[in-house]
Amino acid sequence: GAGVSQSPSNKVTEKGKDVELRCDPISGHTALYWYRQSLGQGLEFLIYFQGNSAPDKSGLPSDRFSAERTGGSVSTLTIQRTQQEDSAVYLCASREALGSMVAHYGYTFGSGTRLTVV
Amino acid sequence: AQSVSQHNHHVILSEAASLELGCNYSYGGTVNLFWYVQYPGQHLQLLLKYFSGDPLVKGIKGFEAEFIKSKFSFNLRKPSVQWSDTAEYFCAVNAASGGSYIPTFGRGTSLIVHP
Repeated sequence: GAGVSQSPSNKVTEKGKDVELRCDPISGHTALYWYRQSLGQGLEFLIYFQGNSAPDKSGLPSDRFSAERTGGSVSTLTIQRTQQEDSAVYLCASREALGSMVAHYGYTFGSGTRLTVV
Repeated sequence: AQSVSQHNHHVILSEAASLELGCNYSYGGTVNLFWYVQYPGQHLQLLLKYFSGDPLVKGIKGFEAEFIKSKFSFNLRKPSVQWSDTAEYFCAVNAASGGSYIPTFGRGTSLIVHP
């Protein structure tokens, strides 16, 4: 597609329920990132996928958070047993990688999913 | 590990005023640097980026940033702001080589421009 697509755009869930957030990156982009944006806190890195390599999960805040990327394209971020502190905007970004130029491209962000846990 | 510090959290200016937003990073190696802008209700957009070469980088909408390696800084500037520049601005850095290419973002600076 023309841009990074995220769904749903808004999600309200009850505390304790599980949620799934979806990211559809730009076609051909091999790198995919999940960030969390909380009010006044900037962007917090969550997880990074690069091609077929094992994902970098170093930013996941707890074992309630997990993500997968199927077929090197669409990614799903799952939050189990949601808590009120999980309320935030979850952003997905993708980037193209071409050989040694891997870091020479900007990151394209989706519009995000605003998650509210009540 | 890399980190980014944006010193100004909230900036309020009148139209035509000059703008400078501070950004400092910490990382011992070669870096790529970015400024992103998030207009109200919109997604993050790339404003400008630095990879190598001329440390003075020109971006969209009249913005520019200067990479000063000795100061670990990448400040964003615009000589004359407009009301439409009201937005949140984020500085970001990633390691250019030998790293994991995971960009680290600053906390952001909220800019309000009064007409």
